[in-house]
Amino acid sequence: AQKITQTQPGMFVQEKEAVTLDCTYDTSDQSYGLFWYKQPSSGEMIFLIYQGSYDEQNATEGRYSLNFQKARKSANLVISASQLGDSAMYFCAMREGGFKTIFGAGTRLFVKA
Amino acid sequence: NAGVTQTPKFQVLKTGQSMTLQCAQDMNHEYMSWYRQDPGMGLRLIHYSVGAGITDQGEVPNGYNVSRSTTEDFPLRLLSAAPSQTSVYFCASSSRGTPYEQYFGPGTRLTVT
Repeated sequence: AQKITQTQPGMFVQEKEAVTLDCTYDTSDQSYGLFWYKQPSSGEMIFLIYQGSYDEQNATEGRYSLNFQKARKSANLVISASQLGDSAMYFCAMREGGFKTIFGAGTRLFVKA
Repeated sequence: NAGVTQTPKFQVLKTGQSMTLQCAQDMNHEYMSWYRQDPGMGLRLIHYSVGAGITDQGEVPNGYNVSRSTTEDFPLRLLSAAPSQTSVYFCASSSRGTPYEQYFGPGTRLTVT
């Protein structure tokens, strides 16, 4: 069965510093995808970044990068140069083979000025 | 292009009542899903569909029914509401192509008394 684990319920980071949000996953499939989404206090879900299981390079999107360590089954999100607007809930998600996508419990990030 | 729309935005039900949460997308996406979001538990998959006429159960399907008669619509039916179904419900859609990210509706906040 699929499983996503985010072990950090809350994180604090100083503005302009980098922060890493942890995500580990469990799957027996060879083909899967990993995602990160952001949920601001307004409630909408915003897609940030995607990593396919066969992608050899770590995904990057602007200030976001995904540190993909396949053997360790981890897919950590790195946010560089944190901004006050980065304060939000962050969810890691995994899609196996077909389309079924499940989410972790989330990490709430607080950016301090 | 409205994206993913959900109605209603808010709903209060009494225990035992039934209702349907509506979800529609105008992006011609094949894949659609329903999630519920509860504090500390992230998003949990209720049901999903990979195309018209095809649905499958997610992580927490009990007490909910779905159908997919058209590509655009994916309603979620609560058969006999219970206080444990108090939650925020999100509908999401995705195309077949990479990066397979899901587009989310604004959510429906449901309270069962």
